[in-house]
Amino acid sequence: AQSVAQPEDQVNVAEGNPLTVKCTYSVSGNPYLFWYVQYPNRGLQFLLKYITGDNLVKGSYGFEAEFNKSQTSFHLKKPSALVSDSALYFCAVREIGANNLFFGTGTRLTVIP
Amino acid sequence: DAGVIQSPRHEVTEMGQEVTLRCKPISGHDYLFWYRQTMMRGLELLIYFNNNVPIDDSGMPEDRFSAKMPNASFSTLKIQPSEPRDSAVYFCASRRTGATGELFFGEGSRLTVL
Repeated sequence: AQSVAQPEDQVNVAEGNPLTVKCTYSVSGNPYLFWYVQYPNRGLQFLLKYITGDNLVKGSYGFEAEFNKSQTSFHLKKPSALVSDSALYFCAVREIGANNLFFGTGTRLTVIP
Repeated sequence: DAGVIQSPRHEVTEMGQEVTLRCKPISGHDYLFWYRQTMMRGLELLIYFNNNVPIDDSGMPEDRFSAKMPNASFSTLKIQPSEPRDSAVYFCASRRTGATGELFFGEGSRLTVL
């Protein structure tokens, strides 16, 4: 069975500081990993994905994520946070061969001016 | 290219009434998913279709919920009769065939059952 854990419900960071949103996963095989962002009253928007290859993947709006197989983690990062990054962030996993995505519970990021 | 289109964006109804939510996936996408989002449970997969055929409906909460996809460009999620605990935001999402493809979400339908 696949699962995703986002251990922090809320992350606060000052504008201009680096940010990290944590995600760990559990799958029976190799994972496909995704990050999505949700702004208020909007649908989820795709940020980035890890499929294979380089463990560091870069995505939209300056975000990146690092796949760590030994720690089964896929943390989302950004070197310098913007107030406009404030939103709800979801990590998701799909096992190879499966069709659906399994989402974490989400982490609310607040960037303080 | 237009994204996933959902209607209505907001629905307020009374307990016992029938509710129908609609979704138009992105053209060329052959997978369609219905999710429900609540504060308590987060994002839950309700059902998904491949080439208009329901593949997995194990997430549908009970018989009051039903979903159809009569053609490649239209799907409905129906709740009959509705109950207050059905209040949530319902999302439709679609993607192409291919294991690595990301999902594209609609803006959601916010349902309030009084």
